[in-house]
Amino acid sequence: AQSVAQPEDQVNVAEGNPLTVKCTYSVSGNPYLFWYVQYPNRGLQFLLKYITGDNLVKGSYGFEAEFNKSQTSFHLKKPSALVSDSALYFCAVFEGNTGKLIFGQGTTLQVKP
Amino acid sequence: KAGVTQTPRYLIKTRGQQVTLSCSPISGHRSVSWYQQTPGQGLQFLFEYFSETQRNKGNFPGRFSGRQFSNSRSEMNVSTLELGDSALYLCASSSRQLAGGQETQYFGPGTRLLVL
Repeated sequence: AQSVAQPEDQVNVAEGNPLTVKCTYSVSGNPYLFWYVQYPNRGLQFLLKYITGDNLVKGSYGFEAEFNKSQTSFHLKKPSALVSDSALYFCAVFEGNTGKLIFGQGTTLQVKP
Repeated sequence: KAGVTQTPRYLIKTRGQQVTLSCSPISGHRSVSWYQQTPGQGLQFLFEYFSETQRNKGNFPGRFSGRQFSNSRSEMNVSTLELGDSALYLCASSSRQLAGGQETQYFGPGTRLLVL
């Protein structure tokens, strides 16, 4: 069955350090993978989407995600974290066969100065 | 250009009633998708419409329905409201479908529904 897991409820990182928010998925067929961010009082925003092709997908605000088919992972990364990156991050997978989009439970990123 | 708008922003209903929420996409966008966000269940996908046709659907009961008009505006209807339907309902618009190419989704501010 289609599923998405974000194994960490919270990730803490110091400003200027690289950050990684983890996501693993299970889906039949080729997945479409997404990352979204929800800033406090600013609504949900689309960050990036993987369809096919290059395993490294670049998105908004300097974020990128690495698709790893063998590990069924799609981790979100940024080389240098900003305090303003503190937010709730959601990974999602769309399965073309079923037409369903499934979200992970979300990971809170806390970047400290 | 104007962003995605949702009306109303806040709504209070009682159990058993029905409700209709509206979403106006960015001009030129033909895809509108709907989502439910609750503290307990997190983010869940309701359905996606593209060019007036429902293309994809999540795991929600038939009480949840939607439609899209020729101007791409979309409505979502929930009949026979239950307490558990209290949630933030978000819509997003895009020029391509979820299963389409690389294209940004733009989210509206949401409609917060409280069912008493």
